[in-house]
Amino acid sequence: IAGITQAPTSQILAAGRRMTLRCTQDMRHNAMYWYRQDLGLGLRLIHYSNTAGTTGKGEVPDGYSVSRANTDDFPLTLASAVPSQTSVYFCASSAGLAGSDTQYFGPGTRLTVL
Amino acid sequence: GQNIDQPTEMTATEGAIVQINCTYQTSGFNGLFWYQQHAGEAPTFLSYNVLDGLEEKGRFSSFLSRSKGYSYLLLKELQMKDSASYLCAPRNSGYALNFGKGTSLLVTP
Repeated sequence: IAGITQAPTSQILAAGRRMTLRCTQDMRHNAMYWYRQDLGLGLRLIHYSNTAGTTGKGEVPDGYSVSRANTDDFPLTLASAVPSQTSVYFCASSAGLAGSDTQYFGPGTRLTVL
Repeated sequence: GQNIDQPTEMTATEGAIVQINCTYQTSGFNGLFWYQQHAGEAPTFLSYNVLDGLEEKGRFSSFLSRSKGYSYLLLKELQMKDSASYLCAPRNSGYALNFGKGTSLLVTP
C-alpha cells in the first residue's frame, strides 16, 4: 500500500511560470488537503476537499487553485509562481472530516521559486 | 485565528522522560492531535485526545484538559530516534486542523 504519493519531490521554478503539484492516495479517503510548511510558521492549510467534486479554501489560498475530479487525485496549481511561494508542500488525506479522522501526510514537495 | 503555544526547543537525555506542553485557543473544539516530524520528512500521527485525561500508547502518552485549553505529550525512555519536531494540532468545530509551530526536541547521549 503506497498511501499518499506526491510529485515532484523537488522543483526549482522561475517566477511567473505555472506549476502543478500532484498528489495521489490509494486509501479511498474522502477528504484531502494541501498544506505549506515554512520555517517558523508551521503548517498552514491552503485548500481542502471533503469529497470528490468539492473543494474549499483554507488559511492561505491566494495564488493557488485545486481540483478534485476523482477520489484519488488532488492536484495543486500555482498559476503564476512568485518567490513567496517557495516552501515545502504537503498533501494529506483523511477518511472524512469527523473529529477523530486522522490526517495522513504525503512525503512533500520542496518548491523553490526564483 | 487560532492561538497555539508550544516551546520552540527542548533538550533531554537518552533514557529520560520529557513533557512537551501545548496551550491553545480555538473557535470550537473537536479534539487534539499530536504529530511527530523528523527533519526533511512528513508529519506522522502520534495521538488523538477528545476527552479530558491521559491516553497512553507505549512510550508516548498524551493528556488533555479542555477547560484549560491545555495538552501535553509525554515521552518516556527517550531514544535518540525521538529527536524530531512535535506538532500540537487542535481541531476546531469545523474541518480544520490548526498546527502549532512545533517543538524541536533534541535527545542527547
